[in-house]
Amino acid sequence: AQSVSQHNHHVILSEAASLELGCNYSYGGTVNLFWYVQYPGQHLQLLLKYFSGDPLVKGIKGFEAEFIKSKFSFNLRKPSVQWSDTAEYFCAVSRYGQNFVFGPGTRLSVLP
Amino acid sequence: NAGVTQTPKFQVLKTGQSMTLQCAQDMNHEYMSWYRQDPGMGLRLIHYSVGAGITDQGEVPNGYNVSRSTTEDFPLRLLSAAPSQTSVYFCASSDTGTGLAKNIQYFGAGTRLSVL
Repeated sequence: AQSVSQHNHHVILSEAASLELGCNYSYGGTVNLFWYVQYPGQHLQLLLKYFSGDPLVKGIKGFEAEFIKSKFSFNLRKPSVQWSDTAEYFCAVSRYGQNFVFGPGTRLSVLP
Repeated sequence: NAGVTQTPKFQVLKTGQSMTLQCAQDMNHEYMSWYRQDPGMGLRLIHYSVGAGITDQGEVPNGYNVSRSTTEDFPLRLLSAAPSQTSVYFCASSDTGTGLAKNIQYFGAGTRLSVL
């Protein structure tokens, strides 16, 4: 069965610091990869996705992620975080839009 | 465009009561799913459906039933609520198959359920 792990449970940064959130998945076949964000009290929203092609994908709000197939990783990055990035971030894996598996989430707190 | 609509937003039940969480989507998506979100555990898949008339179990199906009589609706039933089912429930839908526009899962706003 597929599984997704996220390296950090809670990350605390100051504004303007750089961010990298780790994500690893277990499935060896072709997968689709996603990062979702959940702002306090809200539902999950898509941040970015990888289906194929360029392994460096850019999403909304200045986020990007790099797919490294040999490491089964899909780490999320942002060069300079803002207070408004405070949220919970979920990495997810699926095959052809089915059987989505989510990681446990990483809570990001950005201090003003 | 409403997207994925969940009702109710909040619900309090007593142990042993039954209820149905409603989920509807207007995007003509084949795939729909129910998750529960608990602190530190991310989202866990309860049940999913790949089309009308077809449902299957996810990771944590016990205590929940689903049906999919139409493409739009995917209700989740709690037959006899237990305190362990206190959680936030999210419904999601996605188009399936290949293509860049597909395979993105859209979420409803969630139902916060407390079982006393």
